Amino acid sequence: QKEVEQNSGPLSVPEGAIASLNCTYSDRGSQSFFWYRQYSGKSPELIMSIYSNGDKEDGRFTAQLNKASQYVSLLIRDSQPSDSATYLCAGRFYGNNRLAFGKGNQVVVIP
Amino acid sequence: GAGVSQSPSNKVTEKGKDVELRCDPISGHTALYWYRQSLGQGLEFLIYFQGNSAPDKSGLPSDRFSAERTGGSVSTLTIQRTQQEDSAVYLCASSPSPAYTDTQYFGPGTRLTVL
Repeated sequence: QKEVEQNSGPLSVPEGAIASLNCTYSDRGSQSFFWYRQYSGKSPELIMSIYSNGDKEDGRFTAQLNKASQYVSLLIRDSQPSDSATYLCAGRFYGNNRLAFGKGNQVVVIP
Repeated sequence: GAGVSQSPSNKVTEKGKDVELRCDPISGHTALYWYRQSLGQGLEFLIYFQGNSAPDKSGLPSDRFSAERTGGSVSTLTIQRTQQEDSAVYLCASSPSPAYTDTQYFGPGTRLTVL
């Protein structure tokens, strides 16, 4: 099993709706998780980071971490067309210097 | 302040040629990372530098790849005898320290095309 997995397939949501993205990980020795947004042809930019169990909110974004179930999620409320992008889940694990990335989820917000 | 910068933004080369890619991290950041992203693939770790410590080269795919970081700042990734499978976007990132909670900030990338 890969270290970080994201379910495949684009997610289409109408403008104003909630987009929900999920990510699972295999290493219980996880330390921190990051959600990056990547527009086509651009580099990843940080949306949220989360280290502790529970929810973390920042504006229209909420990250959730459940270490017992080994998943991380990202909610985007009041989705806007500008949210259309690929969202990358990444984890930093004990003993590793690198971020382990999932393959990403493409989100399309339909006006 | 200035973010991570990379040059060139695009590089087209012929198979078998050597290429050098440059990364200038955010000032004061001690940790520097190289990743690459191939079409349809996730980000793949290549190499990590932290201060004056020996680099973590565990992600380099072959001995044609090497990197150095001079003076704890600018880094150069060198690919010798390029192959078509080396075509990808090469991304550099830096973070303030090697702490697990530190965010890695990415540069704009270098798109390498090997003909």
